[in-house]
Amino acid sequence: NAGVTQTPKFRVLKTGQSMTLLCAQDMNHEYMYWYRQDPGMGLRLIHYSVGEGTTAKGEVPDGYNVSRLKKQNFLLGLESAAPSQTSVYFCASSEVTSNQPQHFGDGTRLSIL
Amino acid sequence: QKEVEQDPGPLSVPEGAIVSLNCTYSNSAFQYFMWYRQYSRKGPELLMYTYSSGNKEDGRFTAQVDKSSKYISLFIRDSQPSDSATYLCAMSVPPGAGGTSYGKLTFGQGTILTVHP
Repeated sequence: NAGVTQTPKFRVLKTGQSMTLLCAQDMNHEYMYWYRQDPGMGLRLIHYSVGEGTTAKGEVPDGYNVSRLKKQNFLLGLESAAPSQTSVYFCASSEVTSNQPQHFGDGTRLSIL
Repeated sequence: QKEVEQDPGPLSVPEGAIVSLNCTYSNSAFQYFMWYRQYSRKGPELLMYTYSSGNKEDGRFTAQVDKSSKYISLFIRDSQPSDSATYLCAMSVPPGAGGTSYGKLTFGQGTILTVHP
């Protein structure tokens, strides 16, 4: 049982480059989330989705876009990477009933030079 | 002021010690409380999940919620080196109490715990 799988695990980008982070879950969860984790800042919500074809902004959405074309996949895009986006990115998913705990992937470590 | 405050530590204890990890919060509407454990270079893993006030026990772990004091705790008995990790508290407000439909979680900063042999 894989749970939540994130690819890639590591990536180094140059300023201005673009890339897409992929999240896949096999638990048939409706809700999916993208967070970033920075030292001293904890986990901050970037974007989330409450179902296939829907997305919404979280606390820190600027500079990121997302898509949820399939229920099991949630993509996070950086159109023009900036050094301030150097972080560890986590994807999570949860069941449709609100206030259910979220299940996390193992993260993507992204460095922007 | 952050909605959820958690002492980042680091906390270092000998094997076998009782560990107490704590979070305080300011939003009295929080009703669901979680503890996550995060090993180095891994994602957060759900450890304990409680609703409203009271205690919940699972093996060596006990979660305690005191809503009157806006204070939650996680106790680890007979701590082991394998318990060395960062522990994150998280909480949410039910939709009926003004929370979001998607169950927004508010996280503490995390406490780094090291249990040495």
